Amino acid sequence: AQTVTQSQPEMSVQEAETVTLSCTYDTSENNYYLFWYKQPPSRQMILVIRQEAYKQQNATENRFSVNFQKAAKSFSLKISDSQLGDTAMYFCAFLRFGGSEKLVFGKGTKLTVNP
Amino acid sequence: NAGVTQTPKFRVLKTGQSMTLLCAQDMNHEYMYWYRQDPGMGLRLIHYSVGEGTTAKGEVPDGYNVSRLKKQNFLLGLESAAPSQTSVYFCASSPRNTIYFGEGSWLTVV
Repeated sequence: AQTVTQSQPEMSVQEAETVTLSCTYDTSENNYYLFWYKQPPSRQMILVIRQEAYKQQNATENRFSVNFQKAAKSFSLKISDSQLGDTAMYFCAFLRFGGSEKLVFGKGTKLTVNP
Repeated sequence: NAGVTQTPKFRVLKTGQSMTLLCAQDMNHEYMYWYRQDPGMGLRLIHYSVGEGTTAKGEVPDGYNVSRLKKQNFLLGLESAAPSQTSVYFCASSPRNTIYFGEGSWLTVV
């Protein structure tokens, strides 16, 4: 079974600075997707970024980028130019190809952006 | 452009009562899911469906039942609510490469 571990329960960063959230996962699969979801106080689950395991190039979405290390099974999220609206819980998630397509979540990192 | 819609958004139940949460998606996705989220935890999968007429158990299925009679709808039922089922429930759907979530349903069992 796949597992996802987020080792930082809480983090904080000053506005306009850069912060990196860590995620490691365990799987024997070769083809899968990895995601970062943002959950603000409204509790809505918002997709931040997606990475296909077969792609070596790291995914980027505006101020958000990932460092995907497939051999090390590591998938960190970098937020550049942090904004107050980035304050939220961030969840790393794993989805394998085929079968039931079940999404496995880490327990989350609470990020606070300070003014 | 509704996406994934959950009904109701909020509900308070008494122990032993039954209720049904409705999830509707308008994206023609085959896969649908019900998750629950408790304080300090990520989302845990309750039940899921890989197509109309099919359902399967997830990580925490006890106390819940589901049905997928129509492709666009996925119903989650609580037959006899217990305080341990107080949680935020999320429905999601997938075209097989991304998961899209509804806004959540807050359920309190007293």
